[in-house]
Amino acid sequence: AQKITQTQPGMFVQEKEAVTLDCTYDTSDQSYGLFWYKQPSSGEMIFLIYQGSYDEQNATEGRYSLNFQKARKSANLVISASQLGDSAMYFCAMREYSGTYKYIFGTGTMLKVLA
Amino acid sequence: KAGVTQTPRYLIKTRGQQVTLSCSPISGHRSVSWYQQTPGQGLQFLFEYFSETQRNKGNFPGRFSGRQFSNSRSEMNVSTLELGDSALYLCARQTPQRNNQPQHFGDGTRLSIL
Repeated sequence: AQKITQTQPGMFVQEKEAVTLDCTYDTSDQSYGLFWYKQPSSGEMIFLIYQGSYDEQNATEGRYSLNFQKARKSANLVISASQLGDSAMYFCAMREYSGTYKYIFGTGTMLKVLA
Repeated sequence: KAGVTQTPRYLIKTRGQQVTLSCSPISGHRSVSWYQQTPGQGLQFLFEYFSETQRNKGNFPGRFSGRQFSNSRSEMNVSTLELGDSALYLCARQTPQRNNQPQHFGDGTRLSIL
């Protein structure tokens, strides 16, 4: 069964440092999409970055980059130069197609940026 | 900003009551998905509607139902509320048939059951 695993329930990082949030996935599909979302305490889910299974280059969006290792089935999010406003819950998600598109979410990682 | 408006933002109900939540995606987006988010279970998929038809359904009891109108607005109804239904309910719009398009979420409705 398709599955997303985020093994880090919580992490701390010092302001201005880089941090990596882990995500591994399990799927038998050849075509799939991987997403990262940020959820501040206010509750809204904010889309950060996308990686397609056939993309050869790692995705980047500003300070966010996705370290995609297809053979290891991992899609780690790297946040460079952490800011206090990065403190939030981060979710890894996979979009798979089986007749219709479905999203599967990981359990999330709570990131706290320290001043 | 995300093109999804959920109302109300907060709701308090008591056990046994029923509740209806609303979700309106921006014009032209016909696909709407609902999720329940709780601290213990994380984000769980409820159902997806596309052009007024339920296209996908998660593993929730029949007390959870939904519908979609011709203007793409969707409602979710929960009957005979239980304490465990306390959660953040998120609605998301998505662009179908495009694998690289993310879901965009509303701010959610925070439901508390007393």
